[in-house]
This record gives sequence, C-alpha cells and structure tokens, in this order.
Amino acid sequence: NAGVTQTPKFRILKIGQSMTLQCTQDMNHNYMYWYRQDPGMGLKLIYYSVGAGITDKGEVPNGYNVSRSTTEDFPLRLELAAPSQTSVYFCASERGTNTGELFFGEGSRLTVL
Amino acid sequence: GNSVTQMEGPVTLSEEAFLTINCTYTATGYPSLFWYVQYPGEGLQLLLKATKADDKGSNKGFEATYRKETTSFHLEKGSVQVSDSAVYFCALSDLSGNTGKLIFGQGTTLQVKP
Repeated sequence: NAGVTQTPKFRILKIGQSMTLQCTQDMNHNYMYWYRQDPGMGLKLIYYSVGAGITDKGEVPNGYNVSRSTTEDFPLRLELAAPSQTSVYFCASERGTNTGELFFGEGSRLTVL
Repeated sequence: GNSVTQMEGPVTLSEEAFLTINCTYTATGYPSLFWYVQYPGEGLQLLLKATKADDKGSNKGFEATYRKETTSFHLEKGSVQVSDSAVYFCALSDLSGNTGKLIFGQGTTLQVKP
C-alpha cells in the first residue's frame, strides 16, 4: 500500500548541477502533479500530466522539465540548479477525473548552494 | 484569476478550544473547495471537500461550509486536540483546464498546547 513515493527525501546541489526527482504511484491514477512549497507561500504547480505521454506546464515551470512515459512514473528534472529552486517538492496523483482529491508523496527537500 | 486567501498564522490554542481558520476565495464559475492538512514531515492529506454552494464537508470532527454569498469556506472544529497540530491549506479546483488541478492558499499553522 505504497501510494505516492518520492526519492530522494533530501538533496543538496551546487549551482549549475542537474538532478532528477523521482515520483512513482501504484494507484493507477492518470493525473499526476508536481508542486513546490516555499515557506509562507503555499503550493505552486510546476507541471502536470493527464496520462502517459501527455504533460503540460503549471504556474512556475521555468527551470524544470518532466516526462511521463508510463502511468506510474512522473520524474521532475532540474537542468541547471539555481538558489531560487531551493524548496520542498511534492508529487501528487489524483483519484478519478477532476475530483481534486490528491494523494501526495512525503516530499523532497532540495537545497541549492 | 482564481485565488485563495487564508488567515495568517500561527494559530495557538489550548486543548479542547474551538477552532476557526478563515478561508476566502476568488473564482470564476463554481469551483469545488477543499481543506488539506499537512502533519510535520509529511505530505498533504485531503481533510474534507465541498462541491457546491451550501454543501458542508466534514471529517474527523472538522467541518466547513461552502458559502457562495460570502465566497468563504471556513474550517471549524469544536474541540481541538494536540494531535491536530499541523498546517492547514484551503484550496479550490481550477476549472479553466481539463484537470482538477488545485490552487492553494498559503497555509495556516495550528499549534495546540496541552
């Protein structure tokens, strides 16, 4: 009964480095999302996907890329890390269609120095 | 555009006190409204939802009523416990696209002291 699993939980990057945050879900949900959470700012949508092979930009996509080759996996890539990308990242999947009932992973805390 | 505004935190209460966390929204159309809760070190979890005006969502002793006339969805609980200490997020569904993607408020931290 894993739900949504994110790795890694913590990571420190140097400016200009690249990395991928992994996200996988075992609930066969079509819709998946990546959010970032900054202190006092709530959650901002980075990218989302409505199914395998389909992705779209959210509110704050700059500096990130995603892919969705399978229903289960939705990795988020940071190509050239910048201090502004220091944040906590949450992956989520949605039960059903347009239900708004999201299941979140435990988050990945990223620090860029 | 659509937005959600929550009361500033932190909110500090004693155990068994009454809780209200205010949430107001701006939206076109008739979005669904949600409260999510984030316990320390965890991801967000859905607490309750309401899909149309005058609906009341409830769960674990928490309640919120969808008030279209005041564009509000305030969270209430009659008697809080220490275990309710968490960050609470109000959210609405963005109907502009073909997903239920959510717009979140900034979150309100609740601290309950024994």
